[in-house]
Amino acid sequence: GAGVSQSPRYKVAKRGQDVALRCDPISGHVSLFWYQQALGQGPEFLTYFQNEAQLDKSGLPSDRFFAERPEGSVSTLKIQRTQQEDSAVYLCASSPTGRGKGPNGYTFGSGTRLTVV
Amino acid sequence: SQQGEEDPQALSIQEGENATMNCSYKTSINNLQWYRQNSGRGLVHLILIRSNEREKHSGRLRVTLDTSKKSSSLLITASRAADTASYFCATAPANAGGTSYGKLTFGQGTILTVHP
Repeated sequence: GAGVSQSPRYKVAKRGQDVALRCDPISGHVSLFWYQQALGQGPEFLTYFQNEAQLDKSGLPSDRFFAERPEGSVSTLKIQRTQQEDSAVYLCASSPTGRGKGPNGYTFGSGTRLTVV
Repeated sequence: SQQGEEDPQALSIQEGENATMNCSYKTSINNLQWYRQNSGRGLVHLILIRSNEREKHSGRLRVTLDTSKKSSSLLITASRAADTASYFCATAPANAGGTSYGKLTFGQGTILTVHP
């Protein structure tokens, strides 16, 4: 596609419910990032994929957070047993370049706004 | 945790005026990027400046970088009401042994309001 697509745009979950957030990066982009943005804050890094390999998951807040990109394109961020502090906008970004080839500007999706009630 | 600090946190100006936003960071960087975010939307990449560059221009945008002071500024000239948004700086870490992949660390942002 022309841009990075995320779905759903909005998600309301009851506390304790599991959620899955989807990211469709730009076709052929090697790098894919997930960021979490709390209200009034800048985005914070969650995890990074180069193709299907998850090379960095140091930003995932707890073991309730899990991300995958099995075929090196679409990625899913799953949050189990959601809690109120998980409420945030979850942003996905992709880039054509990979590890060691120099970072450039990234293309971000519009994000998924998750509200846990 | 966020590396960058931006100031001011909020800036309100009239159309036609210039807007200057500042960003400070803590660690060595490969490059620094500025992004714009409209309310409820994703981030849009504006401009990237590499650690060996001191100034860069793109249209009405001018970015400076002072690596000795670990700071950057974004200047928007002749602002328009449509420039109203949040602006974030983000740093990519210095490439250690060719293994960096460009994970970004964002500041907390500056909310810019341009009044018509």
